[in-house]
Amino acid sequence: QVQLVQSGAEVKKPGASVKVSCKASGYTFTGYYMHWVRQAPGQGLEWMGWINPNSGGTKYAQKFQGWVTMTRDTSISTAYMELSRLRSEDTAVYYCAVAPPAAIGWFDPWGQGALVTVSS
Amino acid sequence: QSALTQPASVSGSPGQSITISCTGTSSDVGGYNYVSWYQQHPGKAPKVMIHDVSNRPSGVSNRFSGSKSGNTASLTISGLQAEDEADYYCSSYTSSSTLYVFGTGTKVTVL
Repeated sequence: QVQLVQSGAEVKKPGASVKVSCKASGYTFTGYYMHWVRQAPGQGLEWMGWINPNSGGTKYAQKFQGWVTMTRDTSISTAYMELSRLRSEDTAVYYCAVAPPAAIGWFDPWGQGALVTVSS
Repeated sequence: QSALTQPASVSGSPGQSITISCTGTSSDVGGYNYVSWYQQHPGKAPKVMIHDVSNRPSGVSNRFSGSKSGNTASLTISGLQAEDEADYYCSSYTSSSTLYVFGTGTKVTVL
């Protein structure tokens, strides 16, 4: 079955960068867009952007343009999300999620999430 | 792009039906039939329950149903069960540069 396994929790200092990985299995990695969504502690969900694993093309939410970078390595079916210039407000669980074929705006399944804590 | 508006909490007794609203604008909920609903248990990843306003993915109980009227979408849970206690988020495609916007979230409590 389709499964997304994310990297572990990270603790970073303000101003640093973090790179979260998302390893896919159970389907053709290059066939479906990968989205990234984050959730601050006790808060709601926030869409960050997507990457087309086939072409490497990306689309970022305006808020994240200039400080998020989404990449992929098709040889190991893994997508990456790198966030730079971290601030305390970036403390959140970061999820990857697959968009099923022809899906617009819904994601299934999701990875287990990766907690990123930004603290001095 | 502001988050879609949901009630903070909704509660019901086992067996009852509850409805969660999700209010947006003509640029998101009202303008497109791309509304989805997610269930999230504490410490877990969200799980899609409804997509494209009223479609249930395979494996989701038919106790969950979705609808839309104007700028407001709704999720109805019938025959409420203890396992339905969770947070629920709506989401919509939007014409803004954000592309996708989520709701503020609703905590469902089974009394």
